[in-house]
Amino acid sequence: DARVTQTPRHKVTEMGQEVTMRCQPILGHNTVFWYRQTMMQGLELLAYFRNRAPLDDSGMPKDRFSAEMPDATLATLKIQPSEPRDSAVYFCASGFGTGGEQYFGPGTRLTVT
Amino acid sequence: GEDVEQSLFLSVREGDSSVINCTYTDSSSTYLYWYKQEPGAGLQLLTYIFSNMDMKQDQRLTVLLNKKDKHLSLRIADTQTGDSAIYFCAESDNAGNMLTFGGGTRLMVKP
Repeated sequence: DARVTQTPRHKVTEMGQEVTMRCQPILGHNTVFWYRQTMMQGLELLAYFRNRAPLDDSGMPKDRFSAEMPDATLATLKIQPSEPRDSAVYFCASGFGTGGEQYFGPGTRLTVT
Repeated sequence: GEDVEQSLFLSVREGDSSVINCTYTDSSSTYLYWYKQEPGAGLQLLTYIFSNMDMKQDQRLTVLLNKKDKHLSLRIADTQTGDSAIYFCAESDNAGNMLTFGGGTRLMVKP
């Protein structure tokens, strides 16, 4: 049963600390998406990759967020320095070809105090 | 710009039908999607409809699309307590690369 995995599932950190979230897409999928979900803003697309190349990261605060795909089996989202307003659930999703059929991971719940 | 709107909340009794509505603005969307999110989990693709169709049925789920009014609905027949979740509609951009999600409709099913 192929699934998207994300680590860690929960992260509590203090303001100013670096946070790295990891995602393993489904084997064979060539698109990877990072989303952030909050009560106030709903689901926001932060960045997405196709064949490991970043295609759009316009939804991401550039000064503190960065997203990479070091290889086809790993996507990372890094926040440095973290701020309380970054508290949210971060989802990774993967797909194949065009982006509509996306398979979501369980999310990383981030709390920045 | 793209915008997808949904009502926030729907409450039904077990066994009744549920209808969740969605309006969208991008008439060039190729596909429209329904995703389900259960508590503490990621979104799960339920079904989708191609923009040149007006109806799609998949077991208890029926999707209706009115392109003229840019209105999409999801009907769940014989709603069960396990259907309680947040339902998101989404439209793809015209290149099929990205999805724009609505704010989600929380469905509560009462026994």
